[in-house]
Amino acid sequence: EIVLTQSPGTLSLSPGERATLSCRASQSVNNNFLAWYQQKPGQAPRLLIYAASSRATGIPDRFSGSGSGTDFTLTISRLEPEDFAVYYCQQYGSSPLTFGQGTKVEIK
Amino acid sequence: EVQLVESGGDLVKPGGSLRLSCAASGFTFSNAWMNWVRQAPGKGLEWVGRINTKTGGGTTDYAAPVKGRFTISRDDSKNTLYLQMNSLKTEDTAVYYCMSVLWGWGQGTLVTVSS
Repeated sequence: EIVLTQSPGTLSLSPGERATLSCRASQSVNNNFLAWYQQKPGQAPRLLIYAASSRATGIPDRFSGSGSGTDFTLTISRLEPEDFAVYYCQQYGSSPLTFGQGTKVEIK
Repeated sequence: EVQLVESGGDLVKPGGSLRLSCAASGFTFSNAWMNWVRQAPGKGLEWVGRINTKTGGGTTDYAAPVKGRFTISRDDSKNTLYLQMNSLKTEDTAVYYCMSVLWGWGQGTLVTVSS
């Protein structure tokens, strides 16, 4: 099983700042099949990035994904008020599919 | 517009059974790998299992905690995904989501296992 470790656990930032979220895999993710999701309280997760760096339909270009192999990053170039949420990475290249434990981006 | 709508969540006693459904629309359901993911109250996301397309063999695989108790199936003629849950435990209490990595997530349905 591929274990995904997200860091930091909580990121305290102000609107307009840059957010950098990390997701590290215990072994290489097949085909870089790594997705990032955003979840707000009481809502279902929303796909932001798939295949490590492809932005999902309708996602603003301030969200970008990078990385390959075992190290992946989600960057939010300038935080908007609606971006404060919990972010999860998921690998879907091999079974069992696994999620990271999440990074909470909170308002400083 | 892509829609995934789960139903069937309920309060059930330990040892009981429940079947969840997920109605899909807005994409070619028969071509999509489909997953069930759950989220216990206040916790993170946990993958439950997935089903391949019929042309891919319709194979399934499951997370260790549910293997042998849960069964995923699909009816492409009805664009519907199912999760049959047997021998339910209190630790199965969660919101259950159907999802496709490329097509999105449903709104979830709550399953509560309690005596």
